[in-house]
Amino acid sequence: DADVTQTPRNRITKTGKRIMLECSQTKGHDRMYWYRQDPGLGLRLIYYSFDVKDINKGEISDGYSVSRQAQAKFSLSLESAIPNQTALYFCATSDTERDRDWSDTQYFGPGTRLTVL
Amino acid sequence: RKEVEQDPGPFNVPEGATVAFNCTYSNSASQSFFWYRQDCRKEPKLLMSVYSSGNEDGRFTAQLNRASQYISLLIRDSKLSDSATYLCVVNKMVQGTYKYIFGTGTRLKVLA
Repeated sequence: DADVTQTPRNRITKTGKRIMLECSQTKGHDRMYWYRQDPGLGLRLIYYSFDVKDINKGEISDGYSVSRQAQAKFSLSLESAIPNQTALYFCATSDTERDRDWSDTQYFGPGTRLTVL
Repeated sequence: RKEVEQDPGPFNVPEGATVAFNCTYSNSASQSFFWYRQDCRKEPKLLMSVYSSGNEDGRFTAQLNRASQYISLLIRDSKLSDSATYLCVVNKMVQGTYKYIFGTGTRLKVLA
């Protein structure tokens, strides 16, 4: 079984709809991340969470929100989807002691391909 | 200028060839570096971590040149299965926390 899972794997929705992408992990990691990937651009960080009570914005958080329901679950919501949110979304996890942040290694889920019409 | 720059390729090489990719980064304070492999429409998977001058794992060698701010990835004896996009990642301190900064990737095609 995969250590990091994402649901759904593919989704087509319409402009203005609310959509939630879910991420679960069995690695026991404290840290979880949401990224989006667009053609010709590197992965960009949307939100991250270092534990259940810790939520932080990344570089492109506008139009998104997250919920860390448990150590193993981290959900990303698009409150009102728009076409330029069409992208490949990845969840990632890592488990690094705070004083060794510099060596952090991240492990990615399989991705969710989202199309907003 | 992008914080992490890679030649997008594609690099088309025959099986058995040796190929090298470079990646340049702009933040001299970055401490750790990674190469990830990404197959088409799949998730990035860690290939190598680079914390000091370099790292070697079988056919793959990564080297770090801090003075010139670049990381290289060398693949020897290329296999068809090495065809993928290789992402350079730099771990950079942002607002008190280290964050991954991704390059856009270099595409490799190994030809039979």
